[in-house]
Amino acid sequence: NAGVTQTPKFRVLKTGQSMTLLCAQDMNHEYMYWYRQDPGMGLRLIHYSVGEGTTAKGEVPDGYNVSRLKKQNFLLGLESAAPSQTSVYFCASSKGLAGWVDEQFFGPGTRLTVL
Amino acid sequence: DAKTTQPTSMDCAEGRAANLPCNHSTISGNEYVYWYRQIHSQGPQYIIHGLKNNETNEMASLIITEDRKSSTLILPHATLRDTAVYYCIPIKTSYDKVIFGPGTSLSVIP
Repeated sequence: NAGVTQTPKFRVLKTGQSMTLLCAQDMNHEYMYWYRQDPGMGLRLIHYSVGEGTTAKGEVPDGYNVSRLKKQNFLLGLESAAPSQTSVYFCASSKGLAGWVDEQFFGPGTRLTVL
Repeated sequence: DAKTTQPTSMDCAEGRAANLPCNHSTISGNEYVYWYRQIHSQGPQYIIHGLKNNETNEMASLIITEDRKSSTLILPHATLRDTAVYYCIPIKTSYDKVIFGPGTSLSVIP
């Protein structure tokens, strides 16, 4: 099992450009999450999904969109990148046991720089 | 959502037990206490969780006070590879958002 993988690992964008970050998991997990982590800070939840075709906003959703067209994939989009979106982005997944919180499995991260 | 307070940083000698405290005095009855850690430049890793009883697994032990207002994560024999930021996170029994605070930066010293 590869677990949770993220593509790409690094990316540099210019202000105003768009891009999509891909997260894939092979554990048949229901729930998937996108976080961002800025220097010296903990992770902040951007968006999450509790199943194929569903998404919801987290703590810091502005400037991002997500889609979960397939159960194993969770895409994070930046329509018009801004320097404030320079960060490390982590994807995670969890089994999603009904009514319970279970451990999240994290990917290796994508380091994004917006100039 | 419950707020947590953790020391900003701690040191521990290699081979000794590392005891990482967390204060969560506003925790509600249905919130579990989860611990994750993040080794530099990697994604966070789950360690352990508990509700009321003390818990132990192959990585660590979790001691929760009887009033549930605080807990301590114990790494029984710290190694250099345990150097990481440790996060204490109260989580409800739902898919409620998980809040990662600043955590405790643990340095294991040879």
